[in-house]
Amino acid sequence: ETGVTQTPRHLVMGMTNKKSLKCEQHLGHNAMYWYKQSAKKPLELMFVYNFKEQTENNSVPSRFSPECPNSSHLFLHLHTLQPEDSALYLCASSQDYAGGPTDTQYFGPGTRLTVL
Amino acid sequence: DAKTTQPPSMDCAEGRAANLPCNHSTISGNEYVYWYRQIHSQGPQYIIHGLKNNETNEMASLIITEDRKSSTLILPHATLRDTAVYYCIVRVKAAGNKLTFGGGTRVLVKP
Repeated sequence: ETGVTQTPRHLVMGMTNKKSLKCEQHLGHNAMYWYKQSAKKPLELMFVYNFKEQTENNSVPSRFSPECPNSSHLFLHLHTLQPEDSALYLCASSQDYAGGPTDTQYFGPGTRLTVL
Repeated sequence: DAKTTQPPSMDCAEGRAANLPCNHSTISGNEYVYWYRQIHSQGPQYIIHGLKNNETNEMASLIITEDRKSSTLILPHATLRDTAVYYCIVRVKAAGNKLTFGGGTRVLVKP
């Protein structure tokens, strides 16, 4: 148990659906991250939020829309996804983002997404 | 961030020490060595990190060579639950805080 929870753990959706992934951290951290892990590929950073402000968007398609209402919650809104978007979506958090001594990232268990 | 090279897979016996190597020959002076592991279908788990001194915590030990071009993660008494993919990552502790995951080493602990 890392203190980072993600719901749902599994999600199956059609290409025309709209769904949201939720991440919550109970660690009092200030930075939160979304990663994507496709089959047989390394983890890819998607978005970074620091103190609720988006600081990084790694050229992610607009069909993925993040939202960070406060430092403890992070959402990933999904719409009109493609089958190739099927992957494990991982959330992480860290105390700091700016490279201080407490910038270690702690990951949630992930949401396994299947797009039909 | 410097590139790392790890063996794609290795087996080790339960109860024995597991020594996982990582080469990072182009590491620069301000880059740290981080280790994470990922058990099947779970999120990555932080293990340990260091700059140039050897480090030890409740999970593992990290041995960094004097020239910092390679390091070894040591799991002192491997258990079946240590079966996972282990990632060695080098990064600068600066604004940006990016973790770049490579292929890692798939470790199988056998009874």
